[in-house]
Amino acid sequence: AQSVTQLDSQVPVFEEAPVELRCNYSSSVSVYLFWYVQYPNQGLQLLLKYLSGSTLVESINGFEAEFNKSQTSFHLRKPSVHISDTAEYFCAVSLTGRRALTFGSGTRLQVQP
Amino acid sequence: GAVVSQHPSRVICKSGTSVKIECRSLDFQATTMFWYRQFPKKSLMLMATSNEGSKATYEQGVEKDKFLINHASLTLSTLTVTSAHPEDSSFYICSALADSTDTQYFGPGTRLTVL
Repeated sequence: AQSVTQLDSQVPVFEEAPVELRCNYSSSVSVYLFWYVQYPNQGLQLLLKYLSGSTLVESINGFEAEFNKSQTSFHLRKPSVHISDTAEYFCAVSLTGRRALTFGSGTRLQVQP
Repeated sequence: GAVVSQHPSRVICKSGTSVKIECRSLDFQATTMFWYRQFPKKSLMLMATSNEGSKATYEQGVEKDKFLINHASLTLSTLTVTSAHPEDSSFYICSALADSTDTQYFGPGTRLTVL
């Protein structure tokens, strides 16, 4: 079975500072990797995903994540955060695209002015 | 594109009653949908996998007779919480796996409160 670890439950950061949210996974077979964002009182929104190909994937709002197979990581980064980035971020994996997601415990990103 | 709706968004019911939650993929077909439950300040836990035209597959520890799932079409899955009790109060989230892209899209969730 696969598992996802998000070591940081909360990450406080000042506006315009860079941020990295860590995600490590465990699986004996190849996986697909995802980052989802959940704003207060809302459902999950897909931020970015890695299925195959280039190991660096980007979102439209400035986030990027890099798949590192040797370190079994998929850390999420943004060079300069905004107040509006305050949300809960979930890393997730699936064995294939047709299976359910296994989620990490989430990281609360709190951007302060 | 790729919008998933859930109805209702909030529901309050009395203990012992049943509640039906609908999950619809609005602009794509989804042979497979998933139902998750999210506890306060916790991650999402998979409850069951819903496949169009067949029986749902439940995760260990989820009572299939209590959480009835029906996936009657390629755009609709329903979750019925039967004989609800206060411990069933939670945030229920569905997702639909787009047949064309193998990507899951999530609904906005349904907040169930059982009094």
